[in-house]
Amino acid sequence: KAGVTQTPRYLIKTRGQQVTLSCSPISGHRSVSWYQQTPGQGLQFLFEYFSETQRNKGNFPGRFSGRQFSNSRSEMNVSTLELGDSALYLCASSLGSSGANYEQYFGPGTRLTVT
Amino acid sequence: GESVGLHLPTLSVQEGDNSIINCAYSNSASDYFIWYKQESGKGPQFIIDIRSNMDKRQGQRVTVLLNKTVKHLSLQIAATQPGDSAVYFCAENAYTGANSKLTFGKGITLSVRP
Repeated sequence: KAGVTQTPRYLIKTRGQQVTLSCSPISGHRSVSWYQQTPGQGLQFLFEYFSETQRNKGNFPGRFSGRQFSNSRSEMNVSTLELGDSALYLCASSLGSSGANYEQYFGPGTRLTVT
Repeated sequence: GESVGLHLPTLSVQEGDNSIINCAYSNSASDYFIWYKQESGKGPQFIIDIRSNMDKRQGQRVTVLLNKTVKHLSLQIAATQPGDSAVYFCAENAYTGANSKLTFGKGITLSVRP
């Protein structure tokens, strides 16, 4: 079974631009969670989508948004990029919602650099 | 606030020795805990999990211990191998109202000396 895939793997953007990252979960998984990973803050939860609905949201500004499609694929968007948004963005899929304590499988991440 | 933290940033062990990685959590409502391993250039990989109704769980060469009294979690790796070199994260799942989310610790680097 194919794992979680994320595209693109690497991205360079300039301040003020917007970016869209994509995540394809494991086949059959309905939950997709997004995380931001930085050396200083570690892994921080952005949001979770389950069956096209946002189930939970972390403490990030409204510039960070996401959505999930009927095939469970998910996208996250960051508008008006700031230098501090440079990070590894990780997507994780699970069979059910994280509230049911399902194991999450992570993708390789998208490395975003904002200049 | 709620946080999950790791006691040491790095751990260096001799190949063949046992490794113990510790983690403290502060949310007494957390009911599910996971250890992840992250190798350079890859996403976190699930190692082992434990629910709050258990205090010990064993996998292949790994054991997780949960002490709810002191809110402490540990990962024991037996006969540590060079391939175990990675960053290890503990994570807790805590309910906030009707929802829950995974909160990760900062991570600890395990370095295995040949």
